Amino acid sequence: NAGVTQTPKFQVLKTGQSMTLQCAQDMNHNSMYWYRQDPGMGLRLIYYSASEGTTDKGEVPNGYNVSRLNKREFSLRLESAAPSQTSVYFCASRFNPSTDTQYFGPGTRLTVL
Amino acid sequence: QKEVEQNSGPLSVPEGAIASLNCTYSDRGSQSFFWYRQYSGKSPELIMSIYSNGDKEDGRFTAQLNKASQYVSLLIRDSQPSDSATYLCALNSGNTPLVFGKGTRLSVIA
Repeated sequence: NAGVTQTPKFQVLKTGQSMTLQCAQDMNHNSMYWYRQDPGMGLRLIYYSASEGTTDKGEVPNGYNVSRLNKREFSLRLESAAPSQTSVYFCASRFNPSTDTQYFGPGTRLTVL
Repeated sequence: QKEVEQNSGPLSVPEGAIASLNCTYSDRGSQSFFWYRQYSGKSPELIMSIYSNGDKEDGRFTAQLNKASQYVSLLIRDSQPSDSATYLCALNSGNTPLVFGKGTRLSVIA
């Protein structure tokens, strides 16, 4: 099993450009999450999908959109990138949202110039 | 608002010593507790989970939970330089995403 995979690993954008971060898991997990991590700020939840067909906002959703494409895939889109969105983005998933731990992907390092 | 508090550190311990990492939380309804380790430039990885009061041991790691006092701790025995990382405390309360602390940076000095 590959676990949680993310693409791309690195990306540089110019202000105003758009892009989609991809996440996929092969563990048959029901819930998926997108976080950003900035120095000194810890992990901050952007959006999550408790189950296929549902999405909900997290702590910092502004400037982002998500799509739960199917049970395996959960994408994060930046429509018009801003320098404030420079960060490391992690996708995570878990089988049971009431008890189980989350497993993280390797992350995408995004720089917006 | 559910909060998880950790001392940001750095916590410096000599090689071979016991490292003690602490975490306090505000939500009394929290049910599951997790410790993640995050090396610089890498993603968080689970090292311990604990669900009931008391101690849980796994190799050199011991997680301790005290729900009455609302704290959870992680002890690392015989600390090694390879244990140098940031340790994240996380908790689960109901059918909601995990709540993470900001992490404690541990430095084990050889």
